[in-house]
Amino acid sequence: QKEVEQDPGPLSVPEGAIVSLNCTYSNSAFQYFMWYRQYSRKGPELLMYTYSSGNKEDGRFTAQVDKSSKYISLFIRDSQPSDSATYLCAMSAWYGGSQGNLIFGKGTKLSVKP
Amino acid sequence: GAVVSQHPSRVICKSGTSVKIECRSLDFQATTMFWYRQFPKQSLMLMATSNEGSKATYEQGVEKDKFLINHASLTLSTLTVTSAHPEDSSFYICSARGIGRDHGYTFGSGTRLTVV
Repeated sequence: QKEVEQDPGPLSVPEGAIVSLNCTYSNSAFQYFMWYRQYSRKGPELLMYTYSSGNKEDGRFTAQVDKSSKYISLFIRDSQPSDSATYLCAMSAWYGGSQGNLIFGKGTKLSVKP
Repeated sequence: GAVVSQHPSRVICKSGTSVKIECRSLDFQATTMFWYRQFPKQSLMLMATSNEGSKATYEQGVEKDKFLINHASLTLSTLTVTSAHPEDSSFYICSARGIGRDHGYTFGSGTRLTVV
C-alpha cells in the first residue's frame, strides 16, 4: 500500500459546482497536511495547510482532515474555469524536532467547464 | 509571500552534455532545498534533499554522480544533470524550506528538460 493514495481523475465539473478532492494515507505519524495546485508546466503552489485534524476555510476552499480515518479532503465551492488544474495532496510527519519530507499524492486533474 | 525563482524554464540539450538548473529563494533564506522529478501524469518524486553547506542526501535509486546538487548559499541551489541521456528528459522542480517556515514548502516554477 502506498503511503498516500489519490485518485488521478480526470474530474470534469460544470462551472459553479462544488468539487470534492480526497486523499487517503497509511502513516499515522503524518501531522501536516497540505493541498497544492499545479497548473500545466508550472511548479505547485500551496493552497491550504492544516495541522492535525479539523477544518480550515479560505475563501472558496475548505480543507478537512480526519486523522481517525486517515482521510483528507479539499472542497472547492462555486468552482471556476480558472480552478482547472492538478491538485496534489501532500503530508509530512514530525521527527525529532523537525518536519519530515513531504509525501505527495499523484494529483487529481480537475477541469471546470464554463 | 515566499518566492523561489527557477531557471531555465525549458532547455533542450544533446545527449552526453550537461545541464545546470538553478533555484534561488528571493525573499527568504532557504535552509533546505528539495529537488523533485515529475513524469507526465505522475506525482512529484523526491530526488534529493540538501541543506546549506552540506552534501545532499539522495533518495534510493538516484545516481548522485549523475545528478550533482550544490547548495552553497542560503539563497541558491543548483542541480546539474551530467552526461544527459534521453531518459533524463523530465520536468524538474525545486522547493525550498526556510528558517521559521516549517510547513508549506515553496516551489520553483519547474524546468522542462528535453535531451535529444
